[in-house]
Amino acid sequence: QVQLVESGGGVVQPGRSLRLSCVASGFTFSNYGMNWVRQAPGKGLEWVAVISFDGSNEQYADSVKGRFTISRDNSKNTLYLQMNSLRAEDTAVYYCAKPLRGANSWDYWGQGSLVTVSS
Amino acid sequence: EIVVTQSPATLSVSPGERATLSCRASQSVSSNLAWYQQKPGQAPRLLIYGASTRATGIPARFSGSGSGTEFTLTISSLQSEDFAVYYCQQYNNWPLTFGGGTKVEIK
Repeated sequence: QVQLVESGGGVVQPGRSLRLSCVASGFTFSNYGMNWVRQAPGKGLEWVAVISFDGSNEQYADSVKGRFTISRDNSKNTLYLQMNSLRAEDTAVYYCAKPLRGANSWDYWGQGSLVTVSS
Repeated sequence: EIVVTQSPATLSVSPGERATLSCRASQSVSSNLAWYQQKPGQAPRLLIYGASTRATGIPARFSGSGSGTEFTLTISSLQSEDFAVYYCQQYNNWPLTFGGGTKVEIK
């Protein structure tokens, strides 16, 4: 069965960096573009970034463009989110999400990794 | 950016009753719209994609309709497990955007 397991969250000071990982199993990871979606405490969902199946293309939300980098290692079935210059407003649960074939809606989600940016 | 607006913010419904949730996009998204259910402490769950196609394993009491800018999620007879927050999401244009959510609570 499909599983997505995030790790790497924690408490970090403003301006510092953190890298999230998402290990995928149960499907052919290298065939799918993958996404990060976040949710601030008590708030709604916000799409963060997407990377193509082969890593050749990326897109970002304006709120993270220039600070976050999405990447993947298909040999390790792993998705990454490098987060630099973190701000208090980046505090959220970060989910990795697998899309349906042919649609940017997501049929499988990880359990989420909490990132807290605080001094 | 396409702005997605959901209404109402909160819907109070008795078990067994019908619930109708609305989602409006600021410009046409064709049928590229999905609905998700989220319960406290859990990841979202895909209910509907393509505006009206139920995802795998989703009960028939959930149905989606609409195209262009106006969409509806209908839960025909609310069960206890359906009380949750529901989000719509457009995937026609970048950036992908969500509505603010509708909380369905017990009346």
